[in-house]
Amino acid sequence: KAGVTQTPRYLIKTRGQQVTLSCSPISGHRSVSWYQQTPGQGLQFLFEYFSETQRNKGNFPGRFSGRQFSNSRSEMNVSTLELGDSALYLCASSPGGSGNTIYFGEGSWLTVV
Amino acid sequence: QKEVEQNSGPLSVPEGAIASLNCTYSDRGSQSFFWYRQYSGKSPELIMFIYSNGDKEDGRFTAQLNKASQYVSLLIRDSQPSDSATYLCAVNSGGSNYKLTFGKGTLLTVNP
Repeated sequence: KAGVTQTPRYLIKTRGQQVTLSCSPISGHRSVSWYQQTPGQGLQFLFEYFSETQRNKGNFPGRFSGRQFSNSRSEMNVSTLELGDSALYLCASSPGGSGNTIYFGEGSWLTVV
Repeated sequence: QKEVEQNSGPLSVPEGAIASLNCTYSDRGSQSFFWYRQYSGKSPELIMFIYSNGDKEDGRFTAQLNKASQYVSLLIRDSQPSDSATYLCAVNSGGSNYKLTFGKGTLLTVNP
């Protein structure tokens, strides 16, 4: 069974630009959640989507947004990039119930210069 | 502010010893507790989860939960150099396991 797939794996962007990251969940999983990991703040929850609806959102500015498609694939977008957005962005999938465990993809490493 | 606290380490143990990793959490409403292992440059990998007070064993790993003390721990028996990694404690937030609050992790080094 294929795991969570994230693309691109590595990217470099310039301040002020925007970026879109993609995530394909484990087959059959309908929930996709996104996390940001930085050395200073650790792993922080961004948002979660289930059946194309955002169910929960973390404490991040509106520059961070996401969406989910009917095939459960998800994208997250960060607009007007700042240096502090440099991080590992992790996507995690689960079947969808609140009691299900989440499984992480390999992540997308974003560097903002 | 719901918090999860871990000793950042590094925790250094000799090969074959027991490694003990600890975590405390602030939200008394938390119901699910997870341990993830993260190798340098890699994504977190789920090791164990525990929901009930007491011990849960899986191979060389034992998770221990004490909700009254708001404390969860992970014991690694017969530690191997391949166990050298950062161990992340995570707690569910708002009753949903997809929204986890993570500690900053404990770096474990197992010396041959």
